[in-house]
Amino acid sequence: EDQVTQSPEALRLQEGESSSLNCSYTVSGLRGLFWYRQDPGKGPEFLFTLYSAGEEKEKERLKATLTKKESFLHITAPKPEDSATYLCAVQGRDDKIIFGKGTRLHILP
Amino acid sequence: DVKVTQSSRYLVKRTGEKVFLECVQDMDHENMFWYRQDPGLGLRLIYFSYDVKMKEKGDIPEGYSVSREKKERFSLILESASTNQTSMYLCASSLPRTGLDEQFFGPGTRLTVL
Repeated sequence: EDQVTQSPEALRLQEGESSSLNCSYTVSGLRGLFWYRQDPGKGPEFLFTLYSAGEEKEKERLKATLTKKESFLHITAPKPEDSATYLCAVQGRDDKIIFGKGTRLHILP
Repeated sequence: DVKVTQSSRYLVKRTGEKVFLECVQDMDHENMFWYRQDPGLGLRLIYFSYDVKMKEKGDIPEGYSVSREKKERFSLILESASTNQTSMYLCASSLPRTGLDEQFFGPGTRLTVL
């Protein structure tokens, strides 16, 4: 059965303290892995799509990487405005998109 | 900028009522999706559509139906609302490729069924 597991569920960091969020997945024929950011009371906002193992993408303080079993979202020197829930989703051969439950990130000033 | 709008931010309905949630996107996307989001369960796909008048069941279609009469509009219908349908409902759209590209989400409708 296809599934996505994100860890940790919640993470509190001091401003400037770099860390990584994990997304482990099991899917038949990965077609794409997506990262989204969601602020409280709002819809998710797209960040990255990764298509194959070894691929990396960057946007400001965020960098997403992909292996055959997991993806990491690295946050370098985070700021309070990076506080949000980060969602990972995968799409398999059957085109079905499965979301993880998210990691709630809180950056303390 | 792609814009996905949903008809209401907050909605309160009574058990047994018929409920319509409307979603409109302005970027000519062919793919549209309805999700519900619940604490501890994450986002779950209810229905999706890859074209006008086309619909496919997602993971949790029971108790819901959809309508797509125009390309830009995708409606979610709760035929007879129940308390377990209290949730945040999110609509999304994506580019023509079979849903592989990023999805653009609306702001969500928080539905409470009393």
